[in-house]
Amino acid sequence: DVKVTQSSRYLVKRTGEKVFLECVQDMDHENMFWYRQDPGLGLRLIYFSYDVKMKEKGDIPEGYSVSREKKERFSLILESASTNQTSMYLCASSSPYRGNYGYTFGSGTRLTVV
Amino acid sequence: GQQLNQSPQSMFIQEGEDVSMNCTSSSIFNTWLWYKQDPGEGPVLLIALYKAGELTSNGRLTAQFGITRKDSFLNISASIPSDVGIYFCAGSTGANSKLTFGKGITLSVRP
Repeated sequence: DVKVTQSSRYLVKRTGEKVFLECVQDMDHENMFWYRQDPGLGLRLIYFSYDVKMKEKGDIPEGYSVSREKKERFSLILESASTNQTSMYLCASSSPYRGNYGYTFGSGTRLTVV
Repeated sequence: GQQLNQSPQSMFIQEGEDVSMNCTSSSIFNTWLWYKQDPGEGPVLLIALYKAGELTSNGRLTAQFGITRKDSFLNISASIPSDVGIYFCAGSTGANSKLTFGKGITLSVRP
């Protein structure tokens, strides 16, 4: 069963901590994405990557960075966590060469910053 | 960034009822997709539509790609309790374009 795996389902971190959210996909997809989801705001794109070592800012990149050293892994980094980064974080992957152009999502990481 | 228009934000229906959701845009899309997100999970693709006017079914779900390419609808027939969740529409302009999402509609089904 093909999948996108996010390393943690729930995470509680303190304000000011550096936080790493990991995402791994086993579908050999070229594209990977990080979204945050908040009630009433839908899915908002933080960063995306079309290839290894490549990254592009999405709509809300402030306070975040990413790393893609290997094709299958895309990490989201909160440099100094703040309470307004408490949210559900969703990783997704896709390929422009196969299928329906849709994304496959992970199960999400619910991050609470206290 | 641009978002597709989905409203209302929440819908409440009785088990057994049909429900229809639509999604509109000011821009043209070449592919329309519908996702469902169960509580506490990530969104899962329900239906993908590739041609204007296309009507596609998946069990009790039916979706249509609008002729203008600026809208799509999803219909759920004979709703059941496990239909609860958030339904997102998404549009794509091409193979390597980012998806544009609606804000989602939260569906509640009363037994």
